[in-house]
Amino acid sequence: ETGVTQTPRHLVMGMTNKKSLKCEQHLGHNAMYWYKQSAKKPLELMFVYSLEERVENNSVPSRFSPECPNSSHLFLHLHTLQPEDSALYLCASSQYRDSGGPSTDTQYFGPGTRLTVL
Amino acid sequence: QKEVEQNSGPLSVPEGAIASLNCTYSDRGSQSFFWYRQYSGKSPELIMSIYSNGDKEDGRFTAQLNKASQYVSLLIRDSQPSDSATYLCAVNNNDMRFGAGTRLTVKP
Repeated sequence: ETGVTQTPRHLVMGMTNKKSLKCEQHLGHNAMYWYKQSAKKPLELMFVYSLEERVENNSVPSRFSPECPNSSHLFLHLHTLQPEDSALYLCASSQYRDSGGPSTDTQYFGPGTRLTVL
Repeated sequence: QKEVEQNSGPLSVPEGAIASLNCTYSDRGSQSFFWYRQYSGKSPELIMSIYSNGDKEDGRFTAQLNKASQYVSLLIRDSQPSDSATYLCAVNNNDMRFGAGTRLTVKP
């Protein structure tokens, strides 16, 4: 058990559906991440939240909308997705260092949500 | 140019042999380096982290870092079939960048 949980573990949705992925970390970390993992491609960083503020958005399509209500919870809201969005969505957390020092601490991953868009 | 590059494999070694996994990176300012193991259908789990040049050993695993050559490797001694997985190299300089992973198969 890694201390990072994700629900649901599997999700099948149509292109017109709206759904949300949930992540919760029990490690006392102050940064949380959403990654997309497609077959045979590197992990793609989607969103980073540090101290509940978004610090990075790597030009992710607007059909993905993150929400971080507090340092322990992270959501990814999904709407009007495309079949190519089918992938494993991974949440991770770490202890992020503020400006003046790089973040060298390890990221710990949740089990992921396997998303299939029909 | 890929930021973190790994040979995709598959790398196949017999049980008991040494498996050598390699990774190169492009960002010279990178300060921390990680190896993750990912079993099929599972999420990545941390094996090793290394921050300074040289070797770091943890059980059967040894991570090697050479910042001048922008190279990091993972050696697995006495490989076991349970080591069969995809190994992800990750490099951090404020942003964590992952390689695509090397698939390792250890044959009994």
